[in-house]
Amino acid sequence: GAVVSQHPSRVICKSGTSVKIECRSLDFQATTMFWYRQFPKQSLMLMATSNEGSKATYEQGVEKDKFLINHASLTLSTLTVTSAHPEDSSFYICSARGGWGWETQYFGPGTRLLVL
Amino acid sequence: SQKIEQNSEALNIQEGKTATLTCNYTNYSPAYLQWYRQDPGRGPVFLLLIRENEKEKRKERLKVTFDTTLKQSLFHITASQPADSATYLCALDSQSGGGADGLTFGKGTHLIIQP
Repeated sequence: GAVVSQHPSRVICKSGTSVKIECRSLDFQATTMFWYRQFPKQSLMLMATSNEGSKATYEQGVEKDKFLINHASLTLSTLTVTSAHPEDSSFYICSARGGWGWETQYFGPGTRLLVL
Repeated sequence: SQKIEQNSEALNIQEGKTATLTCNYTNYSPAYLQWYRQDPGRGPVFLLLIRENEKEKRKERLKVTFDTTLKQSLFHITASQPADSATYLCALDSQSGGGADGLTFGKGTHLIIQP
């Protein structure tokens, strides 16, 4: 149980385009989903917290107009990187929490974004 | 500011020995602390959670201790195996008091178990 999927696993795009990443909880309802970013040899950095049916809460320094988050259902959250630039290239990981053991977050496999 | 430190970037241990990883934190009052395993190019995998009122927790070959006075957690892998080689991350809830928030992670300790 507690499986979280992400799609796509890898994406390469041109500078200026937008990229959407999906995060799904497959076998539980996720009241809260989180989006993290990880640069090489660095720790995961929380970008935003997403609650189903409400606006996302962004961490300090994360541009909400650049990283659009939608949590339309209890099993799906999406992150859209708008007008992507090479510095947005990173490993994006979502996590979900819900159901039993609310403190534990279950992570997706991550999405590698490369902006050319 | 809140800070999480993990003991080293790489730890080499001989197969069969016990690996001990350290997580120290400052300016936190966490309600719980979590340990995750991360393999290259993959998302973290949850291993253990220990609450502030728990001193020790075990799961198979894993053991975690939590000393809120020292502000330290130790993570032990007994009878280590090459398959245990990975990066191990310590994580705390982002705000004091154990609210329902995202996690703050340490940089992780890269563990290498040598056959």
